[in-house]
Amino acid sequence: DSGVTQTPKHLITATGQRVTLRCSPRSGDLSVYWYQQSLDQGLQFLIHYYNGEERAKGNILERFSAQQFPDLHSELNLSSLELGDSALYFCASSVEAAGVETQYFGPGTRLLVL
Amino acid sequence: DQQVKQNSPSLSVQEGRISILNCDYTNSMFDYFLWYKKYPAEGPTFLISISSIKDKNEDGRFTVFLNKSAKHLSLHIVPSQPGDSAVYFCAASVIRGYSTLTFGKGTMLLVSP
Repeated sequence: DSGVTQTPKHLITATGQRVTLRCSPRSGDLSVYWYQQSLDQGLQFLIHYYNGEERAKGNILERFSAQQFPDLHSELNLSSLELGDSALYFCASSVEAAGVETQYFGPGTRLLVL
Repeated sequence: DQQVKQNSPSLSVQEGRISILNCDYTNSMFDYFLWYKKYPAEGPTFLISISSIKDKNEDGRFTVFLNKSAKHLSLHIVPSQPGDSAVYFCAASVIRGYSTLTFGKGTMLLVSP
Protein backbone atom coordinates (compact mmCIF):
# COMPACT_ATOMS: atom_id res chain seq x y z
CA ASP A 1 0.00 0.00 0.00
CA SER A 2 1.62 3.24 -1.19
CA GLY A 3 -0.52 5.47 1.01
CA VAL A 4 -2.00 7.24 -2.01
CA THR A 5 -5.74 6.71 -2.39
CA GLN A 6 -7.88 7.15 -5.48
CA THR A 7 -11.63 7.03 -5.91
CA PRO A 8 -13.56 5.62 -7.60
CA LYS A 9 -11.76 2.44 -8.58
CA HIS A 10 -13.94 1.93 -11.64
CA LEU A 11 -16.11 4.35 -13.60
CA ILE A 12 -18.38 3.62 -16.55
CA THR A 13 -19.98 6.50 -18.33
CA ALA A 14 -21.24 7.62 -21.72
CA THR A 15 -19.74 9.85 -24.39
CA GLY A 16 -20.33 13.54 -23.78
CA GLN A 17 -20.51 13.14 -20.02
CA ARG A 18 -18.30 14.67 -17.32
CA VAL A 19 -16.57 12.81 -14.50
CA THR A 20 -14.40 13.70 -11.52
CA LEU A 21 -11.57 11.53 -10.28
CA ARG A 22 -10.25 12.04 -6.79
CA CYS A 23 -6.81 11.53 -5.31
CA SER A 24 -5.53 11.83 -1.74
CA PRO A 25 -1.76 12.01 -1.45
CA ARG A 26 0.37 10.38 1.21
CA SER A 27 0.44 12.21 4.49
CA GLY A 28 2.89 15.09 4.27
CA ASP A 29 3.36 14.98 0.48
CA LEU A 30 2.66 18.34 -1.13
CA SER A 31 2.97 17.25 -4.76
CA VAL A 32 0.33 15.46 -6.79
CA TYR A 33 0.84 14.23 -10.35
CA TRP A 34 -1.77 12.82 -12.71
CA TYR A 35 -0.99 10.24 -15.40
CA GLN A 36 -3.02 8.49 -18.06
CA GLN A 37 -2.32 4.95 -19.22
CA SER A 38 -4.10 3.92 -22.39
CA LEU A 39 -4.01 0.46 -23.93
CA ASP A 40 -0.47 -0.60 -24.87
CA GLN A 41 0.91 2.73 -23.75
CA GLY A 42 3.20 3.74 -20.96
CA LEU A 43 2.09 6.27 -18.44
CA GLN A 44 1.61 9.69 -19.98
CA PHE A 45 2.04 12.69 -17.70
CA LEU A 46 -0.99 14.98 -17.57
CA ILE A 47 -0.48 17.63 -14.89
CA HIS A 48 1.39 18.41 -11.67
CA TYR A 49 0.24 20.36 -8.64
CA TYR A 50 2.38 21.44 -5.72
CA ASN A 51 0.77 22.77 -2.56
CA GLY A 52 -2.30 23.97 -4.42
CA GLU A 53 -0.55 25.51 -7.40
CA GLU A 54 -0.22 24.13 -10.90
CA ARG A 55 3.46 23.42 -11.60
CA ALA A 56 3.56 21.71 -14.96
CA LYS A 57 1.33 20.51 -17.74
CA GLY A 58 1.95 17.58 -20.01
CA ASN A 59 -0.24 15.98 -22.65
CA ILE A 60 -3.48 17.16 -21.07
CA LEU A 61 -6.44 17.91 -23.30
CA GLU A 62 -8.32 21.18 -22.93
CA ARG A 63 -11.39 19.13 -21.97
CA PHE A 64 -9.50 17.99 -18.89
CA SER A 65 -8.73 20.09 -15.85
CA ALA A 66 -7.45 19.54 -12.36
CA GLN A 67 -7.11 21.27 -9.05
CA GLN A 68 -5.51 20.68 -5.69
CA PHE A 69 -7.39 21.75 -2.58
CA PRO A 70 -6.10 23.22 0.71
CA ASP A 71 -6.21 19.77 2.31
CA LEU A 72 -3.92 18.68 -0.58
CA HIS A 73 -6.30 16.22 -2.17
CA SER A 74 -6.64 16.64 -5.90
CA GLU A 75 -9.39 16.17 -8.44
CA LEU A 76 -9.10 15.52 -12.16
CA ASN A 77 -12.13 16.64 -14.13
CA LEU A 78 -12.76 15.08 -17.53
CA SER A 79 -15.53 16.60 -19.64
CA SER A 80 -17.16 16.00 -23.02
CA LEU A 81 -15.88 12.47 -22.77
CA GLU A 82 -14.96 10.54 -25.90
CA LEU A 83 -14.43 6.84 -26.45
CA GLY A 84 -10.68 7.44 -26.63
CA ASP A 85 -10.63 8.78 -23.08
CA SER A 86 -11.13 5.24 -21.80
CA ALA A 87 -7.96 4.52 -19.86
CA LEU A 88 -6.42 4.03 -16.45
CA TYR A 89 -5.83 7.27 -14.61
CA PHE A 90 -3.20 7.28 -11.90
CA CYS A 91 -2.21 9.91 -9.45
CA ALA A 92 1.08 9.97 -7.62
CA SER A 93 2.38 11.97 -4.72
CA SER A 94 6.00 12.59 -4.11
CA VAL A 95 8.63 13.22 -1.53
CA GLU A 96 11.95 14.90 -2.12
CA ALA A 97 15.02 13.71 -0.25
CA ALA A 98 18.67 14.59 -0.80
CA GLY A 99 17.71 16.51 -3.91
CA VAL A 100 15.90 13.68 -5.65
CA GLU A 101 12.22 12.96 -5.83
CA THR A 102 10.37 9.65 -5.70
CA GLN A 103 6.77 9.39 -6.82
CA TYR A 104 4.40 6.94 -5.17
CA PHE A 105 1.35 5.88 -7.13
CA GLY A 106 -2.23 5.24 -6.17
CA PRO A 107 -4.16 2.17 -7.37
CA GLY A 108 -5.71 4.06 -10.27
CA THR A 109 -9.19 4.72 -11.60
CA ARG A 110 -10.27 2.66 -14.59
CA LEU A 111 -12.51 4.80 -16.81
CA LEU A 112 -14.64 3.22 -19.51
CA VAL A 113 -16.50 5.53 -21.88
CA LEU A 114 -19.26 3.81 -23.84
CA ASP B 1 9.19 10.80 -30.17
CA GLN B 2 9.72 8.34 -27.35
CA GLN B 3 12.39 9.61 -25.03
CA VAL B 4 12.42 6.44 -22.91
CA LYS B 5 12.29 3.12 -24.70
CA GLN B 6 11.85 -0.40 -23.47
CA ASN B 7 12.30 -2.42 -26.60
CA SER B 8 11.31 -5.80 -25.17
CA PRO B 9 7.55 -6.00 -24.58
CA SER B 10 7.98 -9.26 -22.70
CA LEU B 11 10.58 -11.50 -21.08
CA SER B 12 10.29 -15.07 -19.80
CA VAL B 13 12.72 -16.43 -17.21
CA GLN B 14 12.89 -19.53 -15.07
CA GLU B 15 12.72 -19.27 -11.31
CA GLY B 16 16.15 -18.87 -9.75
CA ARG B 17 17.76 -17.44 -12.90
CA ILE B 18 18.66 -13.82 -13.60
CA SER B 19 16.16 -11.45 -15.19
CA ILE B 20 17.62 -8.53 -17.13
CA LEU B 21 15.31 -5.75 -18.21
CA ASN B 22 16.66 -3.05 -20.47
CA CYS B 23 15.85 0.59 -21.03
CA ASP B 24 17.26 3.21 -23.41
CA TYR B 25 16.79 6.96 -23.31
CA THR B 26 17.47 9.72 -25.78
CA ASN B 27 17.28 12.89 -23.71
CA SER B 28 20.74 13.68 -22.36
CA MET B 29 19.17 16.01 -19.78
CA PHE B 30 17.79 13.05 -17.85
CA ASP B 31 19.82 12.48 -14.72
CA TYR B 32 17.59 10.42 -12.47
CA PHE B 33 16.16 7.03 -13.35
CA LEU B 34 13.61 4.83 -11.63
CA TRP B 35 12.13 1.39 -12.05
CA TYR B 36 8.54 0.66 -11.14
CA LYS B 37 6.78 -2.68 -10.96
CA LYS B 38 3.10 -2.99 -11.76
CA TYR B 39 0.71 -5.84 -11.06
CA PRO B 40 -2.65 -5.99 -12.84
CA ALA B 41 -5.32 -3.79 -11.27
CA GLU B 42 -2.75 -2.02 -9.10
CA GLY B 43 -0.76 1.18 -9.41
CA PRO B 44 2.97 1.16 -10.19
CA THR B 45 5.15 0.41 -7.19
CA PHE B 46 8.52 2.09 -6.82
CA LEU B 47 11.33 -0.46 -6.94
CA ILE B 48 14.74 1.16 -7.22
CA SER B 49 16.36 4.31 -8.57
CA ILE B 50 19.73 5.63 -9.63
CA SER B 51 21.11 9.09 -10.22
CA SER B 52 23.56 9.88 -12.97
CA ILE B 53 26.45 10.32 -10.57
CA LYS B 54 26.40 6.56 -10.01
CA ASP B 55 26.68 3.63 -12.36
CA LYS B 56 25.20 0.99 -10.07
CA ASN B 57 22.69 0.78 -7.26
CA GLU B 58 21.73 -2.35 -5.37
CA ASP B 59 18.77 -3.19 -3.17
CA GLY B 60 18.51 -6.82 -2.20
CA ARG B 61 17.81 -8.92 -5.27
CA PHE B 62 17.50 -5.84 -7.47
CA THR B 63 20.40 -4.00 -9.09
CA VAL B 64 20.19 -1.15 -11.56
CA PHE B 65 23.11 -0.37 -13.85
CA LEU B 66 23.50 2.92 -15.68
CA ASN B 67 25.68 3.46 -18.74
CA LYS B 68 25.51 7.20 -19.41
CA SER B 69 27.63 7.16 -22.55
CA ALA B 70 25.29 4.61 -24.12
CA LYS B 71 22.18 6.21 -22.58
CA HIS B 72 21.21 2.79 -21.34
CA LEU B 73 20.13 1.32 -18.06
CA SER B 74 19.23 -2.16 -16.98
CA LEU B 75 17.52 -3.82 -14.06
CA HIS B 76 18.87 -7.15 -12.86
CA ILE B 77 16.80 -9.40 -10.64
CA VAL B 78 18.71 -12.25 -9.04
CA PRO B 79 17.40 -14.78 -8.25
CA SER B 80 14.09 -14.34 -10.03
CA GLN B 81 10.97 -15.51 -8.22
CA PRO B 82 7.45 -16.22 -9.55
CA GLY B 83 6.19 -13.27 -7.49
CA ASP B 84 8.36 -11.01 -9.62
CA SER B 85 6.04 -11.62 -12.57
CA ALA B 86 4.69 -8.17 -13.40
CA VAL B 87 5.11 -5.29 -15.83
CA TYR B 88 8.27 -3.28 -15.22
CA PHE B 89 8.41 0.37 -16.21
CA CYS B 90 11.55 2.40 -16.62
CA ALA B 91 11.17 6.13 -15.93
CA ALA B 92 13.47 9.12 -16.21
CA SER B 93 13.51 12.68 -14.95
CA VAL B 94 15.65 15.71 -14.50
CA ILE B 95 16.81 16.43 -10.96
CA ARG B 96 15.69 19.94 -10.22
CA GLY B 97 13.37 19.58 -7.29
CA TYR B 98 9.98 18.31 -8.27
CA SER B 99 9.90 17.17 -11.86
CA THR B 100 7.79 14.97 -14.06
CA LEU B 101 8.61 11.40 -14.99
CA THR B 102 8.87 10.16 -18.54
CA PHE B 103 7.98 6.49 -18.75
CA GLY B 104 8.79 3.70 -21.13
CA LYS B 105 5.99 1.43 -22.31
CA GLY B 106 6.97 -1.37 -19.98
CA THR B 107 8.27 -4.93 -20.16
CA MET B 108 6.12 -7.81 -18.96
CA LEU B 109 8.25 -10.26 -16.99
CA LEU B 110 7.05 -13.81 -16.51
CA VAL B 111 8.97 -15.97 -14.07
CA SER B 112 8.01 -19.60 -14.32
CA PRO B 113 8.56 -22.17 -11.54
